[in-house]
Amino acid sequence: SQTIHQWPATLVQPVGSPLSLECTVEGTSNPNLYWYRQAAGRGLQLLFYSVGIGQISSEVPQNLSASRPQDRQFILSSKKLLLSDSGFYLCAWNQQASSYNEQFFGPGTRLTVL
Amino acid sequence: AQSVTQLDSHVSVSEGTPVLLRCNYSSSYSPSLFWYVQHPNKGLQLLLKYTSAATLVKGINGFEAEFKKSETSFHLTKPSAHMSDAAEYFCVVSDLRNAGNMLTFGGGTRLMVKP
Repeated sequence: SQTIHQWPATLVQPVGSPLSLECTVEGTSNPNLYWYRQAAGRGLQLLFYSVGIGQISSEVPQNLSASRPQDRQFILSSKKLLLSDSGFYLCAWNQQASSYNEQFFGPGTRLTVL
Repeated sequence: AQSVTQLDSHVSVSEGTPVLLRCNYSSSYSPSLFWYVQHPNKGLQLLLKYTSAATLVKGINGFEAEFKKSETSFHLTKPSAHMSDAAEYFCVVSDLRNAGNMLTFGGGTRLMVKP
């Protein structure tokens, strides 16, 4: 069966510090991968998605970036965090050949920028 | 273009009473529709999905949803609420034609269950 991992689970960082969040998927190959952000009391905002190694599409302009160095690894980064980067970050995957597009979500990372 | 509207941002019910969470969608193609549930500080869990095989879809934990094309609705119901059902619920639409297999999320409905 497939599983998706995210770490760390929680993170408190000062403004201006760098960020690296990691997501890995097990039990599948060549998945689509997604990063979402959920601000307090708000819905999900798609940040990035990837259909293959090294292929990243950005949905919103921001000071975050994403990379996919391996087939089942997706990394979210920032060089200098802003207060507005605080939120709950969710990674998700689905099968590229899926007929119905449902996505499967990781447990999330709670980021607090002080 | 596709969109999802969850008509209630908050719903409060008493334990043992029925649950109704409303969702309307807009899609220019035959959509796939989903309901996800999110408990506090957790990821999203798929409750059920509409795949055009049957208009009444049964999911986990006693939830079900009915696809009504004429009303462009996909409301989520449960006959009897349990305390553990208290969570945020998201209605989601997918248009298979979009690049990257992306989903469009509704704004969410927070379900509160009173003892």
